[in-house]
This record gives sequence, structure tokens and C-alpha cells, in this order.
Amino acid sequence: EVQLLESGGGLVQPGGSLRLSCAASGFTFTSYAMTWVRQAPGKGLEWVSGISGSGGTDTYYADSVKGRFTISRDNSKNTLWLQMNSLRGEDTAIYYCAKSFGGTYSPIDYWGQGTLVTVSS
Amino acid sequence: DIQMTQSPSSLSAFVGDRVTITCRASQSINTYLNWYQQKAGKAPKLLIYGASSLQSGVPSRFSGSGSGTDFTLTISSLQPEDFVTYYCQQSDSTPLTFGGGTKVEIK
Repeated sequence: EVQLLESGGGLVQPGGSLRLSCAASGFTFTSYAMTWVRQAPGKGLEWVSGISGSGGTDTYYADSVKGRFTISRDNSKNTLWLQMNSLRGEDTAIYYCAKSFGGTYSPIDYWGQGTLVTVSS
Repeated sequence: DIQMTQSPSSLSAFVGDRVTITCRASQSINTYLNWYQQKAGKAPKLLIYGASSLQSGVPSRFSGSGSGTDFTLTISSLQPEDFVTYYCQQSDSTPLTFGGGTKVEIK
């Protein structure tokens, strides 16, 4: 059974940093691209970032987070991260870790339960 | 970036009705179009991928069609559990943008 368990969310002041983690199990982690998607309170879904199965520099970002967020993965630990710096109020959202069907340009077939990030003073 | 526009943003219907939701891309995305269903307080669920392929376990009352820039999600006979929110997403190029969502409400 595929499981994705996010952690690391919480309350942070504007300008601060937070690192989200996603522990994956139930599938061959290195074979699949992974994604972060967020949802602001009462709003729609926003694709944030993606990384290929091999990781490294094969990473992609939404314009709204480029230069502030960094996605990475450790295939030996089946773990995905999202380092978020220079946080703003508009980054407040539930952040979902998600597994892609296959490569980077593929739909999402499994989602975590989400972790809430609140950016406020 | 490719913009995805869903319409309507909300609709009201009866149980048993046939409903159609439309998604339009700002440029051609071939058939790289996916549909998700999201219940309140839950993570989304993949319904349709590649514009028309039904994800495993999804009821056959859901269907998708389209190519290029115009796509539709059709629910042939609404069931009580279908009154939730639906999103389209393009997977042609990064960022893999979502539509704004369509909330289906019971009439």
C-alpha cells in the first residue's frame, strides 16, 4: 500500500524558513517523480514543485516559489523534502506530498494527507 | 506558463442528472489533461488521466474527452457522493497547472 506521510508544517513568521518532509513507502521510490502541491485555505490547488525519480538537478518550480523553495529527495531513505525560505503570507496553505504516475510530466496518483503551513506574525 | 480555465466554477444539479464540466488550456496540450475529485477536508483523487483514461477503481459514470485546448469531464448520473469539487490539470509542461475548480452542489 502506497503511503506518503508529510511532516514539518507549523507556524512561522514572514521571512522565516521551514522544511517539509515526506516519508514514502509501499512503492519503488526511485522509479517515480514526486511533487508538492499546495492549497490555501478555501482556495484551489496549486502545483508548487516537482522532481524526477533520479533527483539531482532535474527539478521544477512554480514561478511563485522559484528562488525561495528547494525540492530534494534521498532515494536511499525514501524521503522527499521541500525547503521553504523567505516565507510570505501567501505561502499559507496545506502542502501535499504527491507521487506521480511515472515521470515528471505525468498525473498524480497518490497524495499524502497534507501538512499545514501558516505564515503569520 | 499554460493557464487552465474551468467552467462553470460551480453548478447545482439533482441526483441522477448528467453533468459536464469544461476545461480550456491557453495553448495546445495534446491530451495531457487530468481530472481530480476532492472531497472537503481530504486530499484530491485522480479520476481521469490522458484526457480520457479512467483511473483504476473509478466508477464508469465518469468519463473524459477532448484534445488540444478543450476538454470535458462528464458524470453520466450524479450520485450523492459526487457532490464535491473537481479540478483539471495539464501535464504537458511545467509548471503543471491546475484549473480553478468546479464545485458541484446538490439542487
